[in-house]
Amino acid sequence: DAKTTQPTSMDCAEGRAANLPCNHSTISGNEYVYWYRQIHSQGPQYIIHGLKNNETNEMASLIITEDRKSSTLILPHATLRDTAVYYCIVRPAAGNKLTFGGGTRVLVKP
Amino acid sequence: NAGVTQTPKFQVLKTGQSMTLQCAQDMNHEYMSWYRQDPGMGLRLIHYSVGAGITDQGEVPNGYNVSRSTTEDFPLRLLSAAPSQTSVYFCASSYTFVASGSGANVLTFGAGSRLTVL
Repeated sequence: DAKTTQPTSMDCAEGRAANLPCNHSTISGNEYVYWYRQIHSQGPQYIIHGLKNNETNEMASLIITEDRKSSTLILPHATLRDTAVYYCIVRPAAGNKLTFGGGTRVLVKP
Repeated sequence: NAGVTQTPKFQVLKTGQSMTLQCAQDMNHEYMSWYRQDPGMGLRLIHYSVGAGITDQGEVPNGYNVSRSTTEDFPLRLLSAAPSQTSVYFCASSYTFVASGSGANVLTFGAGSRLTVL
């Protein structure tokens, strides 16, 4: 499985956009990039996923570089409830297994 | 629509005791899996199942058994609990990967079971 590299932590001001980077330089052509988040002690929650094109849903936007070696999750207007650990995961083309790394601990400050 | 239900939420065991963590889903998901999460760490896959009667090992299977007799249930058994198994356990389910290129198999997680082994 392709590995991902994320910053350990980052702070964000409430109301501002939070940009979370993820490096996945060994990603294969048919592997998807998934983002999940885990709010303290709860089960991880799906945010968004993408293959090549940029994606947007009600929670976030996902920007994938043209070479697919990195991506950025954008929370457009961070709120205090967005404080969580965010995991960037590359999912193999076959199967359902997800391998979680350490994630980025995001602290949204008032 | 309950989603993924885990019981118990909290459990304290003594070393050597056995117990079963229960996981049930009502979404007709074929794929089910168990993860453990140690303090300050990411999730690690213990066992998974792609359908009733089919199970396989994940990254950290030692000390745990699973079975999948129905689509809905995927219990995790600790045969002889050890302090190293103190952790939070998460069950997750999804539809199986259907076609090459499909990226829609989103995992739905339960709320977790916090286990302490003394």
